[in-house]
Amino acid sequence: DAKTTQPPSMDCAEGRAANLPCNHSTISGNEYVYWYRQIHSQGPQYIIHGLKNNETNEMASLIITEDRKSSTLILPHATLRDTAVYYCIVRGGNKLVFGAGTILRVKS
Amino acid sequence: EAGVAQSPRYKIIEKRQSVAFWCNPISGHATLYWYQQILGQGPKLLIQFQNNGVVDDSQLPKDRFSAERLKGVDSTLKIQPAKLEDSAVYLCASSTHPGASNTEAFFGQGTRLTVV
Repeated sequence: DAKTTQPPSMDCAEGRAANLPCNHSTISGNEYVYWYRQIHSQGPQYIIHGLKNNETNEMASLIITEDRKSSTLILPHATLRDTAVYYCIVRGGNKLVFGAGTILRVKS
Repeated sequence: EAGVAQSPRYKIIEKRQSVAFWCNPISGHATLYWYQQILGQGPKLLIQFQNNGVVDDSQLPKDRFSAERLKGVDSTLKIQPAKLEDSAVYLCASSTHPGASNTEAFFGQGTRLTVV
């Protein structure tokens, strides 16, 4: 599975959009981009995934560049409860390999 | 639908003792994963089952860790004997389709193990 690179931490003001970047320059054609988050003392929670088209669900939007070498997770109106570690994962089989993730701190 | 159930939530043991964790995946999920998450790090895959067969256990320290998934449903992870560095959260996850990368995995709350 391709490796991903994420910033170690980010801050976001409550009510504003949180844009979390992820680089995956070695992604191959059949690998999906997944995003999970982990709130303190809980198991990881699935957010969204995509192959090449942009995706949106009730939690977030996923924007994947045309060359698929990077993506951005967008939380449109961040709340204090969105403070968590966000993991970007490239998945090309049934494995799910986590990196260190981005700590997102939403501040009032 | 009910989520992935794990027990116990917390466990404290002394080094060299043994411990077992239990996981009940979401009904009908063929794939089951065990992860170890050390404080401040992302989860690390220990073992992956497809039904009751092992797909990947390359990261499982087999001298002390063992896991089984009898009848392709519940699973147990055992550590014997435990070391101080085994202190971590042990996460169980499950997903539906064997071999599919287009399906999300669902995680339990984890078991926090402290070895003293």
